[in-house]
Amino acid sequence: EADIYQTPRYLVIGTGKKITLECSQTMGHDKMYWYQQDPGMELHLIHYSYGVNSTEKGDLSSESTVSRIRTEHFPLTLESARPSHTSQYLCASNGDSYNEQFFGPGTRLTVL
Amino acid sequence: KQEVTQIPAALSVPEGENLVLNCSFTDSAIYNLQWFRQDPGKGLTSLLLIQSSQREQTSGRLNASLDKSSGRSTLYIAASQPGDSATYLCAVPSSGNTPLVFGKGTRLSVIA
Repeated sequence: EADIYQTPRYLVIGTGKKITLECSQTMGHDKMYWYQQDPGMELHLIHYSYGVNSTEKGDLSSESTVSRIRTEHFPLTLESARPSHTSQYLCASNGDSYNEQFFGPGTRLTVL
Repeated sequence: KQEVTQIPAALSVPEGENLVLNCSFTDSAIYNLQWFRQDPGKGLTSLLLIQSSQREQTSGRLNASLDKSSGRSTLYIAASQPGDSATYLCAVPSSGNTPLVFGKGTRLSVIA
């Protein structure tokens, strides 16, 4: 059973605020990912990490940043939130290319 | 660059029908192919993972097949139920040890 957690599940915040979306997994997976998805639209990869101290930008340009200090934890930070950042953010992980990728429940972010 | 296409984009069927969702990919050198389900506003749930050496995988009423040489996979849903209504996505690694590339999904509605 996949154990990947995201907090908060819902967040409404004002423009200019700094926010951190949390993602953690208990499966010991090396690979972790952040996706952005607008309602009814396709997934876009924004960041990924293949291990501690390793992060890469994804296909979609994003003003967010990520860090990977511990294997189980992959937080995403927006230094100054804007209404254009309103979206759903999904975190995922897998052990290696042969393994299943599992997703967290998502964080729905609304920036006013 | 790997590209994934899913046909049809949307499908509406009466309850009890058997149905097939299609997925095609451009680069046949894949490690595996994964089918996901997504309910509105939720994260993705892994349904089936087919390794490149396998032809098909089954889970309950779901059967996924893989034909690497033709770059195609199908997801067969038997005896569809209203609870099967969701968006179904397929995904493959871009190449080797790289993040998954997702199709845009098929939005399925099963009418009672």
